[in-house]
Amino acid sequence: NAGVTQTPKFQVLKTGQSMTLQCAQDMNHNSMYWYRQDPGMGLRLIYYSASEGTTDKGEVPNGYNVSRLNKREFSLRLESAAPSQTSVYFCASRARSAYEQYFGPGTRLTVT
Amino acid sequence: GEDVEQSLFLSVREGDSSVINCTYTDSSSTYLYWYKQEPGAGLQLLTYIFSNMDMKQDQRLTVLLNKKDKHLSLRIADTQTGDSAIYFCAESNNFGNEKLTFGTGTRLTIIP
Repeated sequence: NAGVTQTPKFQVLKTGQSMTLQCAQDMNHNSMYWYRQDPGMGLRLIYYSASEGTTDKGEVPNGYNVSRLNKREFSLRLESAAPSQTSVYFCASRARSAYEQYFGPGTRLTVT
Repeated sequence: GEDVEQSLFLSVREGDSSVINCTYTDSSSTYLYWYKQEPGAGLQLLTYIFSNMDMKQDQRLTVLLNKKDKHLSLRIADTQTGDSAIYFCAESNNFGNEKLTFGTGTRLTIIP
């Protein structure tokens, strides 16, 4: 039982490049989330998916797209990376009848 | 929108008690959480409290909620070096609400 896994752990992009951050959970959770963490700003929700086949915008969705590929996987795509997207990205998941969100180890992204 | 505020830093001597404070603005906040983030890792739920409670104790952890002042605190008794981490306060206004609002996080440093 690996919990929530994220790939890659680190990534450096040039401005304008695109990439997809991958997230998978093996806990059969319905809900999945993408957050970004910036110094002094805590975690901010980018997108979430309450169930397979649905996605909704969070607090800071601009510049990102998501896909809930199946119940296990929720990917985050940056179509044209900008330096303002330099951050640590966390994926999380939650069971339907539970309080706790389980977090992955994070992806550190630098855009130059 | 909802706002959750915390002090950014706290230093405590090993063996003393640590008190981490949080204030929130949403008067309909129903569920309040404390998450812990160790270096290089994702967040883990430490404890939570419902708005109809004033206090919750769990081993070395004590959570106090002052709903009138919208103030939440986390007390860690007998602080150890392993307690060094960033502590996040978070709130949601109903169970099953997909959106948690996180505070900025408080970095707790233990002085030997």
